[in-house]
Amino acid sequence: QKEVEQDPGPLSVPEGAIVSLNCTYSNSAFQYFMWYRQYSRKGPELLMYTYSSGNKEDGRFTAQVDKSSKYISLFIRDSQPSDSATYLCATTTDSWGKLQFGAGTQVVVTP
Amino acid sequence: NAGVMQNPRHLVRRRGQEARLRCSPMKGHSHVYWYRQLPEEGLKFMVYLQKENIIDESGMPKERFSAEFPKEGPSILRIQQVVRGDSAAYFCASSFSTGFVGDTQYFGPGTRLTVL
Repeated sequence: QKEVEQDPGPLSVPEGAIVSLNCTYSNSAFQYFMWYRQYSRKGPELLMYTYSSGNKEDGRFTAQVDKSSKYISLFIRDSQPSDSATYLCATTTDSWGKLQFGAGTQVVVTP
Repeated sequence: NAGVMQNPRHLVRRRGQEARLRCSPMKGHSHVYWYRQLPEEGLKFMVYLQKENIIDESGMPKERFSAEFPKEGPSILRIQQVVRGDSAAYFCASSFSTGFVGDTQYFGPGTRLTVL
């Protein structure tokens, strides 16, 4: 069993819709949770990170962590074609950051 | 401030040759991480280095792979006697410190290795 599970998609939504992405994890020791965005043929870029359970909002992006169910989510409001990318969830037990990544979900926002 | 730099961006090797991948961290960063991304898979941690030290190499294959981060110069990931299964994108990330507030990992553009 993978430590971090993520549906690879693709997830296709019309422009302006809400994109809902999620991951599940198996290790209850994971404490730090991150979402990265990766455009085709590029390196991942950090979108958001959270520590432990709760919500965090940054502009059109909202990250949620539910440690009781080992479930993490990312919501993108008012999606734009420029949001078309692969979104990777990541987590770690260690403050120094050996990251465990999900497989990534490909998102396509159509005009 | 220049980001993480990796070179070459594309590398083609024949089976049995050596591949050397280079990573220059962001200015002021002394922590380097290497990840491998196979087609249709997420990134897999390989190794974590600080200057002149390997801190965690638990993700490195036991044979043919090695990494270093010398006092001067870039970090090097070396793959000896490459095989077709080594074909992947190799990403380097760097961070400033070990505390989480400061240890956001910034990724480079990756080196895409193709083994013929």
